[in-house]
Amino acid sequence: KTQVEQSPQSLVVRQGENCVLQCNYSVTPDNHLRWFKQDTGKGLVSLTVLVDQKDKTSNGRYSATLDKDAKHSTLHITATLLDDTATYICVVGDRGSALGRLHFGAGTQLIVIP
Amino acid sequence: EAAVTQSPRNKVTVTGGNVTLSCRQTNSHNYMYWYRQDTGHGLRLIHYSYGAGNLQIGDVPDGYKATRTTQEDFFLLLELASPSQTSLYFCASSDVRDWVNYAEQFFGPGTRLTVL
Repeated sequence: KTQVEQSPQSLVVRQGENCVLQCNYSVTPDNHLRWFKQDTGKGLVSLTVLVDQKDKTSNGRYSATLDKDAKHSTLHITATLLDDTATYICVVGDRGSALGRLHFGAGTQLIVIP
Repeated sequence: EAAVTQSPRNKVTVTGGNVTLSCRQTNSHNYMYWYRQDTGHGLRLIHYSYGAGNLQIGDVPDGYKATRTTQEDFFLLLELASPSQTSLYFCASSDVRDWVNYAEQFFGPGTRLTVL
């Protein structure tokens, strides 16, 4: 059973627009949640990690929220650039150490057009 | 930042073939992982290791063997490849002591394997 669901599956936006990606999960316990960016043909690169019951982080044009009560996270990208074209993957960790397991979403494919 | 490299980047083999995928990390991380990524699925853990000579079974181990020869090197072996193993394979590493960053995993660029 899929424990991490991401929506939308794919999204097309024009350069300069903002977008929001969603992640809903059922993983228990939910120690932390991480967003990765995966460029085509490349590995995953961490954007941010959220850990608190209700958490917010910011990393340049990327900002993210986590609500553990709702088991829901969002990734906001402001003023999108062509280089933002990638797959964004939500990952929930059930422990805070390497002893835990990571639960991966299937990703949202974002395409930024001129 | 951790450097994780994989070879080959692309591989084509036939059903029943013997394939070895290689991974090397150069940041002295204890843990290394092998994942497969298929369309419509999240990454799924095949095997992982917490040091040379150690091997732990992941969530989808059937048809795969792995060996960790050194702290740096982790290999994934497909001894009788099948078309169902056509996938994108990622290697990753993490530091078990990295409590602050929640043991962030650093990923290699991936190996695309096609089994005909």
